Amino acid sequence: TQLLEQSPQFLSIQEGENLTVYCNSSSVFSSLQWYRQEPGEGPVLLVTVVTGGEVKKLKRLTFQFGDARKDSSLHITAAQPGDTGLYLCAGDPGTASKLTFGTGTRLQVTL
Amino acid sequence: EAQVTQNPRYLITVTGKKLTVTCSQNMNHEYMSWYRQDPGLGLRQIYYSMNVEVTDKGDVPEGYKVSRKEKRNFPLILESPSPNQTSLYFCASSKTSGGAIPSYNEQFFGPGTRLTVL
Repeated sequence: TQLLEQSPQFLSIQEGENLTVYCNSSSVFSSLQWYRQEPGEGPVLLVTVVTGGEVKKLKRLTFQFGDARKDSSLHITAAQPGDTGLYLCAGDPGTASKLTFGTGTRLQVTL
Repeated sequence: EAQVTQNPRYLITVTGKKLTVTCSQNMNHEYMSWYRQDPGLGLRQIYYSMNVEVTDKGDVPEGYKVSRKEKRNFPLILESPSPNQTSLYFCASSKTSGGAIPSYNEQFFGPGTRLTVL
């Protein structure tokens, strides 16, 4: 089973700060997804990156897929309390139909 | 409204008492999957189904069964639950094409079922 390690595991910051979450693996993925999960709910897809080196922006969130397609990062600019949640990366190895999820980064943004 | 529903949302049971967690989707998705979520371990796949009557093991299938008799439903069965199956369970569904999940398809998750086995 391919593993995805996320860091940091926990992050508590104040509103307005910037942060970066990392998702790393020794394996190559054909694509990588980022999900956000809020308490009491299931994960919701934020973005999918497919090409090595690809950068995608979603308002204040910037996602990057590593050149070798083994890692990814999520950068949040000027974090807001509404960004609070569990962030999960999920890699598709490109074989028989299953995603491998990362260990998750729990973000708390306070006023 | 497009959604994945799970029932029950919360369940406390005792060791050995068979239980079923239901999952239903209204998006006509071929692919459905069950995950369990445990602190520090992320989401781990239990079983998945590519279509009706087609199921396969995920990473942690021991102690679980599934069936896919209809496209919209994918129940998770615990024949003899044990305390190590205490967890938060998620059902998910997704489109497929050509018999395999395209690498960039979004998975839609249900709200989760919190199971405690005493």
